[in-house]
Amino acid sequence: GDSVTQMEGPVTLSEEAFLTINCTYTATGYPSLFWYVQYPGEGLQLLLKATKADDKGSNKGFEATYRKETTSFHLEKGSVQVSDSAVYFCALLGAAGNKLTFGGGTRVLVKP
Amino acid sequence: DAGITQSPRHKVTETGTPVTLRCHQTENHRYMYWYRQDPGHGLRLIHYSYGVKDTDKGEVSDGYSVSRSKTEDFLLTLESATSSQTSVYFCAISEPGLAGIEQYFGPGTRLTVT
Repeated sequence: GDSVTQMEGPVTLSEEAFLTINCTYTATGYPSLFWYVQYPGEGLQLLLKATKADDKGSNKGFEATYRKETTSFHLEKGSVQVSDSAVYFCALLGAAGNKLTFGGGTRVLVKP
Repeated sequence: DAGITQSPRHKVTETGTPVTLRCHQTENHRYMYWYRQDPGHGLRLIHYSYGVKDTDKGEVSDGYSVSRSKTEDFLLTLESATSSQTSVYFCAISEPGLAGIEQYFGPGTRLTVT
């Protein structure tokens, strides 16, 4: 079945540092890929998405590129802020198009 | 923000008691989902619904049942709560094809079973 693997946290960074969170997936067909973010005490919010190979999703300075050849969708941000402290989830929407499969989440802590 | 509310937001209950969580949406989306969030597991799908009275199981459905008698409401019931069901429960909605493929999440319900 479908699965998503993302790097374990926590990831601790200083403000203005570069952030990368690795995400790889296993799926049949051509899934859509997502990054969700969860701020403390809140639900999940969609951060960005990509629906086909080589698509780049971007939002709030975050980017991720759908790499079919490496089955990856790594999240990057060039200069993080304290307000980026959150848990980040990689997810895929499988071929049936109605169920998300999530990775385990990566907690990011940005220190001033 | 998508109009999704969950109730209650926090609940403490004893082992063996029945518990019902409610998800309410104002978006008229066809699909609704219940997930549980546990450390190290991300979110795992419990049940989902693709229309009124139409539901299906997810990967961790044992011990849970659901009902959807109206488009806007999706209920999750723990028939006899166990400590392993202590978790944070999230509801989500989507309308594939019409409103995009994204799922939108509610604020969550923290359930503690003692």
